[in-house]
Amino acid sequence: AQSVTQPDIHITVSEGASLELRCNYSYGATPYLFWYVQSPGQGLQLLLKYFSGDTLVQGIKGFEAEFKRSQSSFNLRKPSVHWSDAAEYFCAVGARGAQKLVFGQGTRLTINP
Amino acid sequence: ETGVTQTPRHLVMGMTNKKSLKCEQHLGHNAMYWYKQSAKKPLELMFVYSLEERVENNSVPSRFSPECPNSSHLFLHLHTLQPEDSALYLCASSQVGDALTNYGYTFGSGTRLTVV
Repeated sequence: AQSVTQPDIHITVSEGASLELRCNYSYGATPYLFWYVQSPGQGLQLLLKYFSGDTLVQGIKGFEAEFKRSQSSFNLRKPSVHWSDAAEYFCAVGARGAQKLVFGQGTRLTINP
Repeated sequence: ETGVTQTPRHLVMGMTNKKSLKCEQHLGHNAMYWYKQSAKKPLELMFVYSLEERVENNSVPSRFSPECPNSSHLFLHLHTLQPEDSALYLCASSQVGDALTNYGYTFGSGTRLTVV
């Protein structure tokens, strides 16, 4: 069965600083990986996804993520954060034939001015 | 209207009330999901409907009753809830099969439920 771990519950960075949010997955075959963002009181919005090809994927809002099979990781990065990036971020994994995605616990991002 | 729409956005109900949450998707998807999101807890998958058939029920108490009359609509009927049921209830939709892993879910904005 698939599982996802986001080791950091809460991260605080300064505006303009770089960001990396960690995601580790457990799955025996090729995983299908997603990052979602949730603003307060809202639903989740898809930031980016990986299912084949180039291991560095670009998403919306200037985010990117790199798939590293050897480390079972799919970390989310942004070179310079903006105050509007403050939100909760969720990593998710899917598998061929599955009927659902499996989500991590989420990482809450706070931006210091 | 496009995407996934949830109504109402906010709901306050007493423990003896009966109410329903509604989710509607205009994306042509054929799978729908209910999630519960409580403060400081992970997303909890409650129910999965695929091709209008319930395929997963994650040990959800019987005071929550889902209904999927067609592939575009999903309801969550609530009765005799407890204060600990207060949470954000999220609906999502997707295509089944390879499209799920290729495209993921589309979420609604959620219903904020408060049980008093």
